[in-house]
Amino acid sequence: SAVISQKPSRDICQRGTSLTIQCQVDSQVTMMFWYRQQPGQSLTLIATANQGSEATYESGFVIDKFPISRPNLTFSTLTVSNMSPEDSSIYLCSVEASRDNPYLNYGYTFGSGTRLTVV
Amino acid sequence: DAKTTQPPSMDCAEGRAANLPCNHSTISGNEYVYWYRQIHSQGPQYIIHGLKNNETNEMASLIITEDRKSSTLILPHATLRDTAVYYCIVTPAGNMLTFGGGTRLMVKP
Repeated sequence: SAVISQKPSRDICQRGTSLTIQCQVDSQVTMMFWYRQQPGQSLTLIATANQGSEATYESGFVIDKFPISRPNLTFSTLTVSNMSPEDSSIYLCSVEASRDNPYLNYGYTFGSGTRLTVV
Repeated sequence: DAKTTQPPSMDCAEGRAANLPCNHSTISGNEYVYWYRQIHSQGPQYIIHGLKNNETNEMASLIITEDRKSSTLILPHATLRDTAVYYCIVTPAGNMLTFGGGTRLMVKP
């Protein structure tokens, strides 16, 4: 399976500021996914990031608030902009475990997450 | 929206088999059943997946009913480290994952 390095692992930020989260994968992957997990809740997909195109956002999430970059097949960033306490969550990136043949995939690999607290 | 229904919580005695049920009555023919778990403060971990046949790996077994409308994840000998939230997800291969509420499994000594 792919190995994901996600940074930072945690941060405490002032409201009104922005934080950029990095996700580095040890192999080339077509799609990268960004999720949010609010306290005590399940994971919610924010957007899907493909290399060379704009990210596709899920309902309730917009590019101005969560801009995403995907400069190559091994790296992506998610920015949480103009933060408020309601943005306090764990943010996770995820990639497909096998790129070459999706029908042989073994699910998806997740990063360890970024625990964000906005004060 | 998640297409699965799971009990919110279950307990299991250490060393016993943990059987986690999942209903997915609206599953489509091209959708797989995936199981993930999330141990506190970690990212979700893939456990197993299947289409229609029962599957077994080093972590667990997956039993899918013949009509594919439900499945059971079996941890044959639960340990304290298996305490986690277990998510059952149905989706076509290569698609994004949509997480429901999951089952919080508590393994007790």
